[in-house]
Amino acid sequence: SQKIEQNSEALNIQEGKTATLTCNYTNYSPAYLQWYRQDPGRGPVFLLLIRENEKEKRKERLKVTFDTTLKQSLFHITASQPADSATYLCALDIAGNMLTFGGGTRLMVKP
Amino acid sequence: NAGVMQNPRHLVRRRGQEARLRCSPMKGHSHVYWYRQLPEEGLKFMVYLQKENIIDESGMPKERFSAEFPKEGPSILRIQQVVRGDSAAYFCASSPLDRGRGEQYFGPGTRLTVT
Repeated sequence: SQKIEQNSEALNIQEGKTATLTCNYTNYSPAYLQWYRQDPGRGPVFLLLIRENEKEKRKERLKVTFDTTLKQSLFHITASQPADSATYLCALDIAGNMLTFGGGTRLMVKP
Repeated sequence: NAGVMQNPRHLVRRRGQEARLRCSPMKGHSHVYWYRQLPEEGLKFMVYLQKENIIDESGMPKERFSAEFPKEGPSILRIQQVVRGDSAAYFCASSPLDRGRGEQYFGPGTRLTVT
C-alpha cells in the first residue's frame, strides 16, 4: 500500500538556523508533491507545490526539493524564526482525485 | 475575497444524534474536498465533490456518512447516528482545478465532539 512518512518527532532548532524536514513515500510515483503548514486549531495553509520534473523550487525563505529516484522531498526553511513554529505536512496526489497527507512534522524554533 | 468558510466551528452531539457540517468554498471554486483529522493524526481524505456531483467518495465510511454539494448553497457533510469515534476535526478544502491537480485552500475546520 502507498505510504507517506514524515518524522513524527518534533524538530527543535535555534532561531536563525535552517530547518530541514523530510517526506518519504513508497509504492507510488506522484506527478507532484505539496507542502502545507498547519497551526494548532486551524486548517492547513498551502506553501509550495513541486512537480515530478522539477528538482527544486523556492519561495522567499522556503525551498523544496523532489527526488523521484529516492522517493523523497526535503523542505527547508532558511533563517528560521519563532513564527515558523508549526506542523508541516507533505501531500501527494494519489489516484488523481485527492491529496494523501503525511502525518506531519512539528517544528519548534526557539529564540 | 473571503476564504473557505466552515460552520459551525465547534459542534457537540450526543451519541445517536445527527451532525451536519457546512462548507462554503472560495468564490470561483467549484471543487470541494472533505478531510477528517483525528487527534495527533494526519488528514484523511473522505470525499471529493463538484457542483451536484460526487466524484470520489472512496475515503468516506459506507454507513452513516453522506455528502452533497448542491447547485446553490454550501457543501454539507452529514453524519447520522454519531458515535464517539466520530469525534474529530473535519476540514473542507476547495480548489479551482479538478482532480487535485493544484493547491487546495482549507477552511478553519469543524471540531465535532460526541458525548
